[in-house]
Amino acid sequence: SQTIHQWPATLVQPVGSPLSLECTVEGTSNPNLYWYRQAAGRGLQLLFYSVGIGQISSEVPQNLSASRPQDRQFILSSKKLLLSDSGFYLCAWSGDARSYNEQFFGPGTRLTVL
Amino acid sequence: AQRVTQPEKLLSVFKGAPVELKCNYSYSGSPELFWYVQYSRQRLQLLLRHISRESIKGFTADLNKGETSFHLKKPFAQEEDSAMYYCALSGRSSNYKLTFGKGTLLTVNP
Repeated sequence: SQTIHQWPATLVQPVGSPLSLECTVEGTSNPNLYWYRQAAGRGLQLLFYSVGIGQISSEVPQNLSASRPQDRQFILSSKKLLLSDSGFYLCAWSGDARSYNEQFFGPGTRLTVL
Repeated sequence: AQRVTQPEKLLSVFKGAPVELKCNYSYSGSPELFWYVQYSRQRLQLLLRHISRESIKGFTADLNKGETSFHLKKPFAQEEDSAMYYCALSGRSSNYKLTFGKGTLLTVNP
């Protein structure tokens, strides 16, 4: 069966430090991958999505970047964190581009920037 | 641009009472609508999708294109229904990416 992992589960980082959050999927090939930020009262905001290795689409301008070095690995990064980067980050995957293949979410990473 | 509106941030009902979580959308074309749910300390997961026309855990949702709504309903709420509910929209014009509403936190009181 398919599973999705995210780590770390929680992270506290100082302003200006780099960031690397990792997401991996098991049990499927060539998934679509997504990074969301979930904020209370603001819902889920799609940050990046990828339909294949090295293919990244950014949805909103921001201080973050994403990479997909392997088929089932998706990384969210920043060179210098801002206070406003604090939040709950969710990774998700889906079978293909058609929406009726539902998205499956990871457990999330709680990032606090101090 | 596509948009999903969930007008209620919080909804509180008593066990056994009917519940309706509202969702309105804006989309040019034929949308695909979903309800996702996040129970306490669990992952966000799909509850139901309009294309399946199914009832899950007693919940149903009907797509009303005239009113551009996809409200989630359950005739008799249970305490275990307490969760955060997100309405989501997708379609061809957005390359089938999901657009989520801001969510409604449902609390079912005993």
